[in-house]
Amino acid sequence: QVQLVQSGAEVQKPGASVKVSCKASGYSFTGYYVHWVRQAPGQGPEWVGWINPKNGDTNYAQKFQGRVTMTRDTSSTTVYMDLSSLRSDDTAVYFCARDMGGTSMVGVLLITDYYDFWGQGTLVTVSS
Amino acid sequence: EIVLTQSPATLSLSPGERATVSCRASQGVRSYLAWYQQKPGQAPRLLIYDASKRATGIPARFSGSGSGTDFTLTISSLEPEDFAVYYCQQRSNLVTFGGGTKVDIK
Repeated sequence: QVQLVQSGAEVQKPGASVKVSCKASGYSFTGYYVHWVRQAPGQGPEWVGWINPKNGDTNYAQKFQGRVTMTRDTSSTTVYMDLSSLRSDDTAVYFCARDMGGTSMVGVLLITDYYDFWGQGTLVTVSS
Repeated sequence: EIVLTQSPATLSLSPGERATVSCRASQGVRSYLAWYQQKPGQAPRLLIYDASKRATGIPARFSGSGSGTDFTLTISSLEPEDFAVYYCQQRSNLVTFGGGTKVDIK
C-alpha cells in the first residue's frame, strides 16, 4: 500500500534551518510528483512547492523562494524539504503529499496538483 | 492569488442529515477544484477532484458540483465518521485552499 512516512517533530530557533524527510513506499517513487503543503495552527493548508522525483526538478511558491529547497534520494525513495531563515510564522505542520497524476504512456510525469496520499505530518515549531 | 471563501464556517447537524458546504472563488477556476476532509491530528483526505469526480474509495454519499466561481460539496446522509473539517482547493492558477468548514454534531 502507498505510504509516505515523515520525520519527527522539530523545534528550531528563529533564523535557523530545518530539514524534513518523507520516505515513500508502495508505489513507483519516480512515477509521481511529490508536493509539500503546510498548515499553521487553526488555518487552512498552504502549498509550499513540488519536486519531480524522476529528474529532481522543483517549483516553489513565490513566498518561499530563496528559503526552501526540495531534494530527493532515489536510492532511499525519500524526498526532503529544507526551510531556512525560520521565523515564528513558519510554525506549522508540514505535510508531503503525492500528486495523483502518475506517468503518461510515453513516460512523462503528469501533474494534477491534486493530492491523493499524504504523509502523517511533521510539526515544526519556531521559538526562541 | 485566487482566494477561496467557504461557508458556513461551522455546520451543526445530526447523523443522517444532509450537509451542504459552499466554496466561492475570487475569480473563475473552471472545474479545477477539489474537496478534502480532515480529522483532528490527521492529514487531509482527497474526496472530490475536478469539481465532481469522486476520488478512489470515496463513498457515493459524497458529491461535488459547480464550475467557475461557485462550488458545493454535499454529503447526502451524514455518517458518524463524516464529522470533520472540509477544505476546498483550486489548481486553476497556482494552488490555494479555503479556510475550512467544520461539520460538527448537533
